[in-house]
Amino acid sequence: SQQGEEDPQALSIQEGENATMNCSYKTSINNLQWYRQNSGRGLVHLILIRSNEREKHSGRLRVTLDTSKKSSSLLITASRAADTASYFCATAGGSNYKLTFGKGTLLTVNP
Amino acid sequence: NAGVTQTPKFQVLKTGQSMTLQCAQDMNHEYMSWYRQDPGMGLRLIHYSVGAGITDQGEVPNGYNVSRSTTEDFPLRLLSAAPSQTSVYFCASSYSSRNSPLHFGNGTRLTVT
Repeated sequence: SQQGEEDPQALSIQEGENATMNCSYKTSINNLQWYRQNSGRGLVHLILIRSNEREKHSGRLRVTLDTSKKSSSLLITASRAADTASYFCATAGGSNYKLTFGKGTLLTVNP
Repeated sequence: NAGVTQTPKFQVLKTGQSMTLQCAQDMNHEYMSWYRQDPGMGLRLIHYSVGAGITDQGEVPNGYNVSRSTTEDFPLRLLSAAPSQTSVYFCASSYSSRNSPLHFGNGTRLTVT
């Protein structure tokens, strides 16, 4: 069963705007990861944040993690048309660290 | 550096046929896994392996077999294809099963008629 649930399911913005996607999960985790998938391609890893971390940055990406609320957010600043893709959160929990994916947020950035 | 290579890219099977989806990685990764992606369902874990000779079931293992005889290869076998196995299949690997990002192949699109 899915652990992470992304919100919203779909998001449409203009180039240059910021995009925020949220992920909620139910059980305790060891880490949470964000991935991007362009249409027809495999997933590409963006950021991994461990359960004892609160915030991480990578270029125009900022991820926060609130373990008390069991939620995470992915912020993409100054979005570009090339950021158009589906974004997935994945959680790793338990002793075997299996990754469980949510259903994704489809981001469309209009030029 | 090829990363994770999946073959074939596309496959059409008739119900009851068997086939093997190939996955190879050249990064000396310890951990390998197979996911299927269906519309509205996200990715679901089929089987995974934490090293050569070690495999375990994921969330949806029924109808699939795996083996890991080498570090590089992790084939997924469909024993008797069913229309419910129509999906896009992704193989992924990582340095370890703990706190390591997954590297994905580009997928195999399988249709079972």
